[in-house]
Amino acid sequence: GAVVSQHPSRVICKSGTSVKIECRSLDFQATTMFWYRQFPKQSLMLMATSNEGSKATYEQGVEKDKFLINHASLTLSTLTVTSAHPEDSSFYICSALIRIRGYTDTQYFGPGTRLTVL
Amino acid sequence: GENVEQHPSTLSVQEGDSAVIKCTYSDSASNYFPWYKQELGKRPQLIIDIRSNVGEKKDQRIAVTLNKTAKHFSLHITETQPEDSAVYFCAASKDNQGGKLIFGQGTELSVKP
Repeated sequence: GAVVSQHPSRVICKSGTSVKIECRSLDFQATTMFWYRQFPKQSLMLMATSNEGSKATYEQGVEKDKFLINHASLTLSTLTVTSAHPEDSSFYICSALIRIRGYTDTQYFGPGTRLTVL
Repeated sequence: GENVEQHPSTLSVQEGDSAVIKCTYSDSASNYFPWYKQELGKRPQLIIDIRSNVGEKKDQRIAVTLNKTAKHFSLHITETQPEDSAVYFCAASKDNQGGKLIFGQGTELSVKP
């Protein structure tokens, strides 16, 4: 499989500050990455699709000015939570869409970032 | 839009028994069905997947079956072990969705030694 890293793994910040989360595909290029949010004991909620070189596509109900996504290269996408508030506290997970040896495009997930906003 | 329903939400089995998790999907155009395993606080990991041109796929103790007519697919784990305990998610996608997955609600599997 492919390896996707995410940094930081945990972050605690004060209300009103911005937090940037990085998602990297370490061994394969990924023109498409996805950002999810996961609440305890719940499924993965897709926030947005990040495409290299173009604007991200946000899911309904997700504020694009609140959650800024930048896919600057074929191996890096970043999610910035702007003016974070306690309700933004969550587990954020990215994934990279990768095709290995001509097989089906498959999503490989990063380890997640636990964000706590005080 | 596409909807994926997953059952049961929790499943408890004795070590060595089999476990079956079922998913149904609504969009008949869906043609790719992966299963992910997520341990507590960890990343979802792909454990097996199937495309719509086959009805069954097996990898050691894990198998997935697909019934396109009924629009449902199932994960089968045989000879369960305590390390199989985790949350399992099914998902569905189709070719013109740019790889976007629609996830089921998840099943928390507990394997008791």
